[in-house]
Amino acid sequence: DGGITQSPKYLFRKEGQNVTLSCEQNLNHDAMYWYRQDPGQGLRLIYYSQIVNDFQKGDIAEGYSVSREKKESFPLTVTSAQKNPTAFYLCASSKGRPLREQYFGPGTRLTVT
Amino acid sequence: QKEVEQNSGPLSVPEGAIASLNCTYSDRGSQSFFWYRQYSGKSPELIMSIYSNGDKEDGRFTAQLNKASQYVSLLIRDSQPSDSATYLCAVNPTGANNLFFGTGTRLTVIP
Repeated sequence: DGGITQSPKYLFRKEGQNVTLSCEQNLNHDAMYWYRQDPGQGLRLIYYSQIVNDFQKGDIAEGYSVSREKKESFPLTVTSAQKNPTAFYLCASSKGRPLREQYFGPGTRLTVT
Repeated sequence: QKEVEQNSGPLSVPEGAIASLNCTYSDRGSQSFFWYRQYSGKSPELIMSIYSNGDKEDGRFTAQLNKASQYVSLLIRDSQPSDSATYLCAVNPTGANNLFFGTGTRLTVIP
């Protein structure tokens, strides 16, 4: 089965701790994306990567970091510098240029207290 | 600006009716347009993509694109209660390597 997996589904952390969210895809897609969704709001782009070892900041990159060491994997670290980290985090992938459809993983719901 | 705007709703339609969802975008050079369905607590699911002016039909769904007026719409025929969800419009503006999303329209189909 081809698809995008995110783990864990739910994640609870104490304030001040860094946390890493996993995203893996076996669709052979070149591009991968991280979005954040807050209640009643649209998707906001955190980071994206079009090729291995390269990534770009999105609209709300502050307090987050990513790596792209393998085509299949694009983990997101939520650092203690992120002021309001509680949210629904969505990973997506697409074939790349020209930009066509993006497909989403099931998401990780992060709660920081 | 590369904004995508949708009426947040909620939009309520009776079962069996046609639901019409609209989206406008600001970047005239946008080339790719998508509709996603998102059930409460779940991730968005791609249901339609459209790239050229006109209509594109897929089962009960029809996407309509009018680049001159900068709007894209989604029609759902014979609406079912299972269609109750939030529908997100997404656009790929000129030169962008990512999609811009609207805030979504919440649809409720009443049995």
